Amino acid sequence: NAGVMQNPRHLVRRRGQEARLRCSPMKGHSHVYWYRQLPEEGLKFMVYLQKENIIDESGMPKERFSAEFPKEGPSILRIQQVVRGDSAAYFCASSPLPGQGVSYEQYFGPGTRLTVT
Amino acid sequence: GQNIDQPTEMTATEGAIVQINCTYQTSGFNGLFWYQQHAGEAPTFLSYNVLDGLEEKGRFSSFLSRSKGYSYLLLKELQMKDSASYLCAAGRSGSARQLTFGSGTQLTVLP
Repeated sequence: NAGVMQNPRHLVRRRGQEARLRCSPMKGHSHVYWYRQLPEEGLKFMVYLQKENIIDESGMPKERFSAEFPKEGPSILRIQQVVRGDSAAYFCASSPLPGQGVSYEQYFGPGTRLTVT
Repeated sequence: GQNIDQPTEMTATEGAIVQINCTYQTSGFNGLFWYQQHAGEAPTFLSYNVLDGLEEKGRFSSFLSRSKGYSYLLLKELQMKDSASYLCAAGRSGSARQLTFGSGTQLTVLP
């Protein structure tokens, strides 16, 4: 059973370009979460999605950031017009539906390390 | 608001026992998670406490006191591979299911 998959693992973008980060949840999981981790800091929640729905985006910056989880395909975190401060590790996590096992347990992907030059 | 506090660094010796403390203040609290994260890797789930008391799982145990807003992770028979960052995270109930993480405790195990 494959775990959470993220790609690319490393992404380099120049200031002003767009970054697209992809996440495929574990098989059978329908909840996806995106977190950002700056160097030497903890994980900060960004957005929580179910298929075709954004449930909670309270951690997303108001501008340039967007996320989606379409009916088919992976979840995508998009950062437009990247700036140096966007350089970080972006982790995706997934969890099963409530009532299936430990409903709040989140399984993390390997992360995408974004570097903005 | 959400606030999670844990020590920044700890050092212990191989074979010893270490306790990593975590205090939290969150609204809609619904459980306390511990994750292990090695440098450059994804966090991996260690434990989940929703009721008061001690949960034991092999060399790792986790404790929760909801009334005190306090948890600890206990690591026994430390091994070199236990050197990692240990993240305390509070879960929230309802539709807001995100985890609020502390900054992590960097544990170094010395030979």
